[in-house]
Formats: sequence, structure tokens, C-alpha cells
Amino acid sequence: DTAVSQTPKYLVTQMGNDKSIKCEQNLGHDTMYWYKQDSKKFLKIMFSYNNKELIINETVPNRFSPKSPDKAHLNLHINSLELGDSAVYFCASSLRGAGANVLTFGAGSRLTVL
Amino acid sequence: DQQVKQNSPSLSVQEGRISILNCDYTNSMFDYFLWYKKYPAEGPTFLISISSIKDKNEDGRFTVFLNKSAKHLSLHIVPSQPGDSAVYFCAASVWGTNAGKSTFGDGTTLTVKP
Repeated sequence: DTAVSQTPKYLVTQMGNDKSIKCEQNLGHDTMYWYKQDSKKFLKIMFSYNNKELIINETVPNRFSPKSPDKAHLNLHINSLELGDSAVYFCASSLRGAGANVLTFGAGSRLTVL
Repeated sequence: DQQVKQNSPSLSVQEGRISILNCDYTNSMFDYFLWYKKYPAEGPTFLISISSIKDKNEDGRFTVFLNKSAKHLSLHIVPSQPGDSAVYFCAASVWGTNAGKSTFGDGTTLTVKP
């Protein structure tokens, strides 16, 4: 059973298109995240939701819009894709309280914008 | 502003020997530190962590050392095994609210030769 699953794993699209990445976790965690790994290999936080409420919103262009229909799902929608959006996007989840610092990651979704 | 740095992009060791991976941070607010291991085409997986109230934490073959005054931590793997070959990410966070917001280094690729 995959704990944190993301779809699609690979996504190739043209500039200007709109695309979504979906994430689901079956760990019963309260908090979910989107991290972006750019070409320099740094993992940077983009958003965090706790029980459907947005709690972290880093300086991300508003073309990126996360949506959390319930605490087990966190989707990422990207409008008007740009070349610089090419990256690997990782979904993650964590518990609240003790253990909140430890993240469980999905396998990543590699987005390539042409 | 790169708050967490892993200055060695790669490390190669012989099977059975010790692997030492290093990490430096600049933000004094960080009080919880983690190491993640990542295989190709997979997400990072949690390996070991340490709170700033400790200077050492051990889990089997893995030991993390923290030197708060130097803002430096290291991961020791002994003995190293070929299956340990992966990218290792150091991460720093603040315990408490938004604890899952981690700042990552850019990783060290460890190769363990049989």
C-alpha cells in the first residue's frame, strides 16, 4: 500500500497550458505539503494544508493554486505554465504535534514544460 | 539565501568503511534537524533526526551528531553497505507550529563500492 501517492508521475506539456497534479495519503496524517525540487536539487516548500486549511503559503506565483477537498487529499493546479515551472513536485504529509517535523513524501511528479 | 548547505555534492566509500556526510546551517532558529535518503525516481524517506537539546542520536548503523555552536551536523554510517548508495538530504526545521516546514540542503550523493 502506497502511503503517499501522486499522479501523474510524469507530465510533459506546452507553455501556456493548465495542468493539475493530484496527491492522496492513507496514513491518517493531518497535514499535507507541496515541495518543489528545482534543477539545483533544492527541495523548497510551496504550500501546506492542515485539515483542509491553508497554513503555509510561500512566495509562490498565484498561477499555482492548491486545493484540499479533505485532509487525505491535496491537489496542485498550475495555470499558464512557464518554462521555469519545469521541476519535480513532491507531495508530503506529516502528523500534528510530536512527529510533525517528519515528512512522508510521495514519489514525485516530474513536470516538463516545452 | 541558502540557509542549509551540504558542501560535498558526492562521496564515495568502500563497503564496510564509515561514511560521513556533513551539513551546515545559518539560521539560529532551527532546532530540529533531519536526514532523508532518496533513491532515483522515489521520494525522500526519513532516516534519522536530532533535536537541538541533544548532540548525538543513534539508530543502528546511523548516527547524527549536532554541534550547535558551529551550526554543523553530520551523519555517520558505519559500516557502509552498497544499499546505502543514494542521495542524502539534510533538513532543518523549527519545532512547534508549522513544524513540517523544513529547509533542505541540496543533497550529497553517496556511492558505496562493494
